[in-house]
Amino acid sequence: EDQVTQSPEALRLQEGESSSLNCSYTVSGLRGLFWYRQDPGKGPEFLFTLYSAGEEKEKERLKATLTKKESFLHITAPKPEDSATYLCAADPYQGGSEKLVFGKGTKLTVNP
Amino acid sequence: DAMVIQNPRYQVTQFGKPVTLSCSQTLNHNVMYWYQQKSSQAPKLLFHYYDKDFNNEADTPDNFQSRRPNTSFCFLDIRSPGLGDAAMYLCATSRGLSQETQYFGPGTRLLVL
Repeated sequence: EDQVTQSPEALRLQEGESSSLNCSYTVSGLRGLFWYRQDPGKGPEFLFTLYSAGEEKEKERLKATLTKKESFLHITAPKPEDSATYLCAADPYQGGSEKLVFGKGTKLTVNP
Repeated sequence: DAMVIQNPRYQVTQFGKPVTLSCSQTLNHNVMYWYQQKSSQAPKLLFHYYDKDFNNEADTPDNFQSRRPNTSFCFLDIRSPGLGDAAMYLCATSRGLSQETQYFGPGTRLLVL
């Protein structure tokens, strides 16, 4: 069964304290790996798509990387406004079903 | 700006009273999705439309229906809401089905009294 696991479930950082969020996936072939940011009471906001192992993408303080088994979202010198839940989702090869497999998310809190 | 719009943002309904949530998009995307998301859980896909072709997830209750009258609009109908249907309902769109990014709307928070 296709599965995506995110860790940790929750992470508290001090402003400026860099860290990484993990997204491990077990899918029958990966077509793409997506990262989203979700603020409380809002819809997920697209951050990155990664398609192949070794690929990296950056946006401001965020950098996403992909290996054959997992993806990391690195947050460098975070600010309080980076506080949110970060979701990853895998797009697996599935015969006849076009469905992303989401993780439950990592809730990030950055304290000033 | 091109975007995905959901109305209303908050909806209160009574147990068993039908309710309709709406989604519109200005992205001109072929695919529109409806997800249900409960607190601290991952979004759960209910169904999607590729153009006019409707695809229902196997575990989506019959209580949930959808309509897509044109490219821009998609509706979620809940025929007889139960207390367990209280959740955030998310609409998303994508250009295609494979390797395409899904863009989400702001969501509609449904409360069932």
